[in-house]
Amino acid sequence: GQQVMQIPQYQHVQEGEDFTTYCNSSTTLSNIQWYKQRPGGHPVFLIQLVKSGEVKKQKRLTFQFGEAKKNSSLHITATQTTDVGTYFCAGPGSGGYQKVTFGTGTKLQVIP
Amino acid sequence: EAGVAQSPRYKIIEKRQSVAFWCNPISGHATLYWYQQILGQGPKLLIQFQNNGVVDDSQLPKDRFSAERLKGVDSTLKIQPAKLEDSAVYLCASRLGANRVLNTEAFFGQGTRLTVV
Repeated sequence: GQQVMQIPQYQHVQEGEDFTTYCNSSTTLSNIQWYKQRPGGHPVFLIQLVKSGEVKKQKRLTFQFGEAKKNSSLHITATQTTDVGTYFCAGPGSGGYQKVTFGTGTKLQVIP
Repeated sequence: EAGVAQSPRYKIIEKRQSVAFWCNPISGHATLYWYQQILGQGPKLLIQFQNNGVVDDSQLPKDRFSAERLKGVDSTLKIQPAKLEDSAVYLCASRLGANRVLNTEAFFGQGTRLTVV
């Protein structure tokens, strides 16, 4: 079945530094979604990428979908303490119905 | 727009007891998911409903877990009997549809934190 791995598992950065998390799938993905989960909270949708090589930006966040649609990345410029949380990529899973199959996640800690 | 409602927020039970969780998705959302999230891990899909039918329960431990969505709206997830390793947050999520082309985001509830002692 579809497996989505993320690296790194943990990342500590000084406030103001940049941060990147990478998502890799064992199979080609029709689309990929990114979610953020604050400590003690629930996953919240950030964005969806569909096209090969697609790049989308949300303020300081840049999302990219690989040309082969098997990998994706999330880059945060000049991190702030509000960026703290775990970032998950999620693939559509296998089978006829769209699932939300979460990756392993990257936990970001921002040191003020 | 009201979000996904879950109850209870917290539950502590002894092993071998039974427990039930309730979820009310966003109105009009055909797809409903139950996830189990163990501390420090990503959410793991347990079961997916499309309206009132199950479309995926491949990772649901059916010897002890059951779920239903009888009228295609709210849903319950039950564990009977509970084991220590069932301690986790149980998240419910809903989505407008499950079409791969017209994909939409999933909205999550606050979750139920279950502790089995």
